[in-house]
Amino acid sequence: EDKVVQSPLSLVVHEGDTVTLNCSYEVTNFRSLLWYKQEKKAPTFLFMLTSSGIEKKSGRLSSILDKKELFSILNITATQTGDSAVYLCAVEGGPGNYQLIWGAGTKLIIKP
Amino acid sequence: EPEVTQTPSHQVTQMGQEVILRCVPISNHLYFYWYRQILGQKVEFLVSFYNNEISEKSEIFDDQFSVERPDGSNFTLKIRSTKLEDSAMYFCASSERRGLTDTQYFGPGTRLTVL
Repeated sequence: EDKVVQSPLSLVVHEGDTVTLNCSYEVTNFRSLLWYKQEKKAPTFLFMLTSSGIEKKSGRLSSILDKKELFSILNITATQTGDSAVYLCAVEGGPGNYQLIWGAGTKLIIKP
Repeated sequence: EPEVTQTPSHQVTQMGQEVILRCVPISNHLYFYWYRQILGQKVEFLVSFYNNEISEKSEIFDDQFSVERPDGSNFTLKIRSTKLEDSAMYFCASSERRGLTDTQYFGPGTRLTVL
């Protein structure tokens, strides 16, 4: 069965700390891995990763994919209270062509 | 910036009633999706739609569900006879190109409560 597993399930840190969120997957017909940030409602897109070893960066956020070990990490440096959210990992793949298989998310709380 | 919109933002219905959730995808997008998220659980894929037909659907998307693009702008999800377990946030998404070579943009969601 295709699955995406995120860890930890929740994380509480202080402002200014650096956090690393993990996503491992077992998905047939892997195409890409995506990271989303979900605050109150809809997930907002952060990164799409398709190639191993290439870091994607956006401000204080960065992410990298390891297709051999089947995982990705999302790093957030110098965290701010506005980074508090659920971070979702999703993998495009599976038996069909247009499906996303979602992880359960990591709930990140940044304390001032 | 163009965005996906959904209406209503919250709908409360009685078990057994039909509901229609509405979405207006981004205007030049060709691929449309519905997802749901039961409170506290992970986001689940329901269905994808392209060229006026279903491309993919999950096991959740049974005969009680249907999707339609009734005109050039709306994309609807109908639940024929709602059950308590249909209570969830329903997200619509759209993308410009095939599959996920392009980013899926999500709407704000409709919270469905079935009593």
